[in-house]
Amino acid sequence: DQQVKQNSPSLSVQEGRISILNCDYTNSMFDYFLWYKKYPAEGPTFLISISSIKDKNEDGRFTVFLNKSAKHLSLHIVPSQPGDSAVYFCAAARAGGTSYGKLTFGQGTILTVHP
Amino acid sequence: EPEVTQTPSHQVTQMGQEVILRCVPISNHLYFYWYRQILGQKVEFLVSFYNNEISEKSEIFDDQFSVERPDGSNFTLKIRSTKLEDSAMYFCASTPRGGYTFGSGTRLTVV
Repeated sequence: DQQVKQNSPSLSVQEGRISILNCDYTNSMFDYFLWYKKYPAEGPTFLISISSIKDKNEDGRFTVFLNKSAKHLSLHIVPSQPGDSAVYFCAAARAGGTSYGKLTFGQGTILTVHP
Repeated sequence: EPEVTQTPSHQVTQMGQEVILRCVPISNHLYFYWYRQILGQKVEFLVSFYNNEISEKSEIFDDQFSVERPDGSNFTLKIRSTKLEDSAMYFCASTPRGGYTFGSGTRLTVV
C-alpha cells in the first residue's frame, strides 16, 4: 500500500538553512494532511496540518504547501535548527465518512541538521 | 499540555500468550486509535474507535485483536495469542477532530 510516499529516506541540512521535506500521495479522496516529527522510542509528535481547501499553512518556522493537482505536499522548516533532527512523517486522511481519522503514513524522512 | 499516556512502555511476552496494552486518551477527545510500527517500517493503522464501537479496522486487525474502553478513561488493545510478527511499537492516539495526539508507545517484544 503506497498511497503516501516520501521518496527521500534522508536529508542533511546546515543549521540556519531551509529544510524541504516532500511527500506524494495517490488517493484523491485524501483531504487532510499532517506532518509529524518522531524521535526514537517516542510517539509521533504533531507538527502542522493542512486541509485540501488550502494550499498553504504556516506555523512559526514550519510551513506546509499543498499542490492538489500534483498530489504533492511539502514541509518547509526555516531556519533549520539542530533540534529539528528527527524522522519526519507525512500522513493523509479523509476527514469525513466512516473512515474519518484513519491516517495513512509515508515511510518517513530522516532529517539531520548540522551545526 | 494534555498527553496520551500508554503503559507499559515495554512488554516482553512469550509467543502464544495474551497481552493487553493500555492507553489513557486525552479526556475530552472522542476518537481513539491504535497504530503500530514494525521496526524499519511505516506506522500502520490498526483500528479506530468512536462512540464505544469500532468505526474502522485494517486487515492487520484480525480476530486475535480486540479493543475496549472499559471505563471512561482507559482504552485497551488486547492481542489474544501473540505471534513473533506482532513484535512492534504500538501507538495509541486520540483526537477531538484532527490534530491527532499520539502516546509515546509500547514496545512489544514477542519471544
